[in-house]
Amino acid sequence: DIQMTQSPSTLSASVGDRVTITCRASQSISSWLAWYQQKPGKAPKLLIYKASSLESGVPSRFSGSGSGTEFTLTISSLQPDDFATYYCQQYNSYSAFGGGTKVEIK
Amino acid sequence: EVQLVQSGAEVKKPGESLKISCKGSGYSFTSYWIGWVRQMPGKGLEWMGIIYPGDSDTRYSPSFQGQVTISADKSISTAYLQWSSLKASDTAMYYCARPEGPFGGPIDYWGQGTLVTVSS
Repeated sequence: DIQMTQSPSTLSASVGDRVTITCRASQSISSWLAWYQQKPGKAPKLLIYKASSLESGVPSRFSGSGSGTEFTLTISSLQPDDFATYYCQQYNSYSAFGGGTKVEIK
Repeated sequence: EVQLVQSGAEVKKPGESLKISCKGSGYSFTSYWIGWVRQMPGKGLEWMGIIYPGDSDTRYSPSFQGQVTISADKSISTAYLQWSSLKASDTAMYYCARPEGPFGGPIDYWGQGTLVTVSS
């Protein structure tokens, strides 16, 4: 199985901060990686697919990069609506999610 | 409009069986995979498995193989997740999801979730 490791597990930040979340795969997944945002009591929402492609309707402050085994999700200027938990997902072979990163208000 | 509508919350006792459902609409149900994702209370997302309703090709995550059964009835555009004998550790929110491919992602549509509570 491919294991996905996200870091940090929790991140405290302020509105306007630049935020970076890292996701590492236990073996190469090329660019078959997605990022999701989840708010309490809601289903996850797709933000980024194929490592760096922005889903339609998602604000441009979200961006993704990486390939192979190391990936990042960056929020260029954190907004109040962005406080949530973020998950990466590999879909190179049988899906797996990372453990999640909770972005909290500092 | 694509929609995945899941069945309502369930409260069950250990050892009981359960089948929850996910009805797709607004798209060709037989042309897209449907997957299931578990989220235990306060925890992260776990991929359980996936089915292609067109031919019932089903693939399970190794962690869930033998623990649950995924099925689909294409005549009523509905996918199912079932347990033959529930455990307290099956208490979780379960989401159905429509990924774009056979490996579970990316997922652009999600159901609203079904909360399963297993308690004596």
